Amino acid sequence: SQQGEEDPQALSIQEGENATMNCSYKTSINNLQWYRQNSGRGLVHLILIRSNEREKHSGRLRVTLDTSKKSSSLLITASRAADTASYFCATDAFGSQGNLIFGKGTKLSVKP
Amino acid sequence: DAGVTQSPTHLIKTRGQHVTLRCSPISGHKSVSWYQQVLGQGPQFIFQYYEKEERGRGNFPDRFSARQFPNYSSELNVNALLLGDSALYLCASSLVLVQGLNYGYTFGSGTRLTVV
Repeated sequence: SQQGEEDPQALSIQEGENATMNCSYKTSINNLQWYRQNSGRGLVHLILIRSNEREKHSGRLRVTLDTSKKSSSLLITASRAADTASYFCATDAFGSQGNLIFGKGTKLSVKP
Repeated sequence: DAGVTQSPTHLIKTRGQHVTLRCSPISGHKSVSWYQQVLGQGPQFIFQYYEKEERGRGNFPDRFSARQFPNYSSELNVNALLLGDSALYLCASSLVLVQGLNYGYTFGSGTRLTVV
């Protein structure tokens, strides 16, 4: 079963605009991770935020985590055509051995 | 340094057949996990191995099995293939396996399995 639910399922924006994707989850977590997947190939790890962190930055990426609402958001600023991909949130649930539970993903399309 | 390598990249099998998928983790990584990703869905956890021992198993039937070798590479075996087993199978490795894994996994490019 899937833990997370990303919102929206699909997002289409113009280059230079910001893209925001949201993720909700159900159980207590150790951390939450965001991954990118191009054209159904391997997943690329983008950023990890621990349960005691509220915000984290990496380049053009900003991730927030609200454990009281069991939700996270991924913001990509100044998007580029190369950012076109599917984005997944994955939770490392509390008590697990590190196996990840993924959401269904947000398909982002950035038009030149 | 080579990343996580998976073989083969594509595979077509007939219902009822058996398949073996292979994964080589990043050098020095001792933990390997397997995920199944059906088209349009997020990856689902199948198995996790650390130091050659099974440390986690997802909600998959007994037709699915795996093992990890002394060099930390891993195999995923699926018996009596069904049409519904058609998916992208992803392998991921990490250096260690600790509760609250404070770093991300490195994924391979996957094996695309089609069952006809």
